[in-house]
Amino acid sequence: DQQVKQNSPSLSVQEGRISILNCDYTNSMFDYFLWYKKYPAEGPTFLISISSIKDKNEDGRFTVFLNKSAKHLSLHIVPSQPGDSAVYFCAASASNDYKLSFGAGTTVTVRA
Amino acid sequence: GAVVSQHPSRVICKSGTSVKIECRSLDFQATTMFWYRQFPKQSLMLMATSNEGSKATYEQGVEKDKFLINHASLTLSTLTVTSAHPEDSSFYICSAPRGGPADTQYFGPGTRLTVL
Repeated sequence: DQQVKQNSPSLSVQEGRISILNCDYTNSMFDYFLWYKKYPAEGPTFLISISSIKDKNEDGRFTVFLNKSAKHLSLHIVPSQPGDSAVYFCAASASNDYKLSFGAGTTVTVRA
Repeated sequence: GAVVSQHPSRVICKSGTSVKIECRSLDFQATTMFWYRQFPKQSLMLMATSNEGSKATYEQGVEKDKFLINHASLTLSTLTVTSAHPEDSSFYICSAPRGGPADTQYFGPGTRLTVL
């Protein structure tokens, strides 16, 4: 039973434009959400996180929005750069536990 | 630089053999490490929690006799895939928390296992 879902397997965006990645979750106990970036044959690297007490967190070009009532979060990357091309995973934990539930990932391709 | 390493990065073995994968935290101690498995184009699935000084805890559906975990020291956890079969072929990734909130855990680079 997939508790974290990323329904878009891929996203193609032009360089300089905004990339919006979506993530939905079903477990009401989740209260900490993270986004990871992953290149092929490498482990995920942490990008940005948000606690359930917030609805927005921004770090440079990356902003994560959380809508608790809809159990939905999104990652905005603006402006998108070619180096952003990778697989992005949404993850969630309960009580800021280290055990993470991951979505299936969204492959982002930034076109020059 | 990398703070969590895995060895080997890739391994090919024959069906029926056992394969050991190491996960090391390079400049910090980790009393807990996590082992994930990723199938192609799918999410990372948590397999088990490796605990230094005690038995590993396995997620539902993961065979503990199939995937042996040993947390040998505060910087080393090993995952042994016993009597490997082709369906065990996958990408195995470990992670180690450095302390603090959930985002302060670091992932290893992963190990690609191919069982012929």
